[in-house]
Amino acid sequence: DIQMTQSPSSLSASVGDRVTITCRASQGISNYLAWYQQKPGKVPKLLIYAASTLQSGVPSRFSGSGSGTDFTLTIRTLQPEDVATYYCQTYYSAPLTFGGGTKVEIK
Amino acid sequence: QVQLQQWGAGLLKPSETLSLTCAVYGGSFSGYYWSWIRQPPGKGLEWIGEINHGGGTKYDVSLESRVTISLDMSNNHFSLKLTSVTAADTAVYYCARRGNAQDYWGQGTLVTVSS
Repeated sequence: DIQMTQSPSSLSASVGDRVTITCRASQGISNYLAWYQQKPGKVPKLLIYAASTLQSGVPSRFSGSGSGTDFTLTIRTLQPEDVATYYCQTYYSAPLTFGGGTKVEIK
Repeated sequence: QVQLQQWGAGLLKPSETLSLTCAVYGGSFSGYYWSWIRQPPGKGLEWIGEINHGGGTKYDVSLESRVTISLDMSNNHFSLKLTSVTAADTAVYYCARRGNAQDYWGQGTLVTVSS
């Protein structure tokens, strides 16, 4: 099974800051990587698929990069509404493992 | 506009069978995978398994002996059954559609296993 390791597990940043979350796969997954945002008490929302393709309707301050084993989600200028937990997931092969999540808070 | 609406029993006793159904509105089954994902209280997302429009299934190995995902295209829904539940199966269960990734999700169902 492919393991997905996210870091950090939590972070606190100021409004307007650039925030970077990383996700590492235990083996190469090409670009079969998605990022989700889950606000407290809400359903997860797809932000990015194919490592770098923004899902329709997602603000352009979110971006993704990477291929192979190392991936990054960047929030260019953090907004108060971005407080959430972010998860990566591979869909390269079953099981479609999620990372452990990164909780983003406002400082 | 695709919508997924799920339902099922929210309180089970240990050893009972969890049964959830997810209805799909506004979209076709063809070309997609139909997934179940769960989230234990205060924890992260766990992929349970998925079924494609042809009925092919894949499950997480840790649940494979207890889980069945089925598809009823005539009624536009798919279902999850998990047998012999324990307290460790307490979670919010989500259904979702997967094209590239899970782009549409159901509203979630809290299933609590308690004696």
